Parts: sequence; C-alpha cells; structure tokens
Amino acid sequence: EDQVTQSPEALRLQEGESSSLNCSYTVSGLRGLFWYRQDPGKGPEFLFTLYSAGEEKEKERLKATLTKKESFLHITAPKPEDSATYLCAVQSGHVSGSARQLTFGSGTQLTVLP
Amino acid sequence: DTEVTQTPKHLVMGMTNKKSLKCEQHMGHRAMYWYKQKAKKPPELMFVYSYEKLSINESVPSRFSPECPNSSLLNLHLHALQPEDSALYLCASSPRGLEKLFFGSGTQLSVL
Repeated sequence: EDQVTQSPEALRLQEGESSSLNCSYTVSGLRGLFWYRQDPGKGPEFLFTLYSAGEEKEKERLKATLTKKESFLHITAPKPEDSATYLCAVQSGHVSGSARQLTFGSGTQLTVLP
Repeated sequence: DTEVTQTPKHLVMGMTNKKSLKCEQHMGHRAMYWYKQKAKKPPELMFVYSYEKLSINESVPSRFSPECPNSSLLNLHLHALQPEDSALYLCASSPRGLEKLFFGSGTQLSVL
C-alpha cells in the first residue's frame, strides 16, 4: 500500500526566513510525485510534478527536489502570501492510467508572519 | 480556459433534501473526479469518470450519485445525507488520468 508522510504538520516562519517541507513516500513503482498548494476553503492548486530521483523544479520562491525516498519543497525568503497548506501526492504504477493511485499526504500548514 | 468551475460554492441542506453539485471544464480533459475533503485532512477520492464512463467508485454510500452527462460536465446528486457528510467537495479533471489534476474551488457542504 502506498504511503505518504509529510512533516512538519505545521510551520511558522518569519518573512524572509527560508525553510524546507518534507514528503516521505513508500510506493511500488513511482509514476509521479506532485506538490499542490491549498488555501483555506479552496481546491488544491498544482505546483510541480517530479518523475525521477535527482529531478528539480522551480517556481518563484519554491523549489521541489526528489530522491528515491522523499521530496523536499524549499521555500526561499517566503512572504506572507505564501501562507497555505502544501500537499504532496504520489502516483504509483499499480494501475496504468488511473488516478486511483494518487495518494495524498496530510499536508504541511505554512504560516509566514510579516 | 484552464479552469474547473464548481457550483454552488456553498450549500446548506437538511437530511431529507435532494440537491446536486455541478462541475464544468472546457480543457478537453477526458478524466473527471469527485473528491471529499474534511477540515485539515487530505482529499479523499470518491469517483472517477474516464471518457464519460464511471471507472472507479471508492465504496461511496448510495446517497451520493454521480453523473457525467458529457465530456465537459460532472454532477454529484445528493439525497438523504447525514451530518457527517458535511465537507468540502472537490471536482477535478485531468487529460487522460495520467497527468496532474486540475481542481475546482469546491463546494462547501453543510448538512443539518
């Protein structure tokens, strides 16, 4: 069974204080690892897809990296508008073409204080 | 148009009511999904439609009835819900089920 564990559960940062969020996963045949951002009462917003160990993706102040066991979302010099819950999800190769295998972690709630 | 549109945004219903949630996308995606999300929890998959046919039903109670009238529309019909069904209901779509999901903003449902 696929498992995704995110840490920490909650993180409070001062504006400009860089940090990283962790997503550890156990999956049979990783097809993709996804990062989403979710604001309260809204649907998740897609950030990145990573497919293989060593891959990195960047978008503004965010950088996602992937190893064989975990992914990190690095936040450089965050701003208050980066406050949100960040969700990690993995898609395994059990059933080809099915999003049934998209397993979400519980998320990290990030608060950036001005 | 890269949006998934859900209506209504908020819904309050009694346990004897019948209501429907609607979802629309015009990105040409052939896979559409319903997720349920409780506060501070990750989204839970309910149903998957692939090429307008129900391909996955994650053992959802029959008081939830999905419908896919065409490739752009997805409905979720609600009947005789329980208070524990109160949650954020999210619709999503993807090109063929292999790629990233595009989520709508959700319908916040309260069952009294």
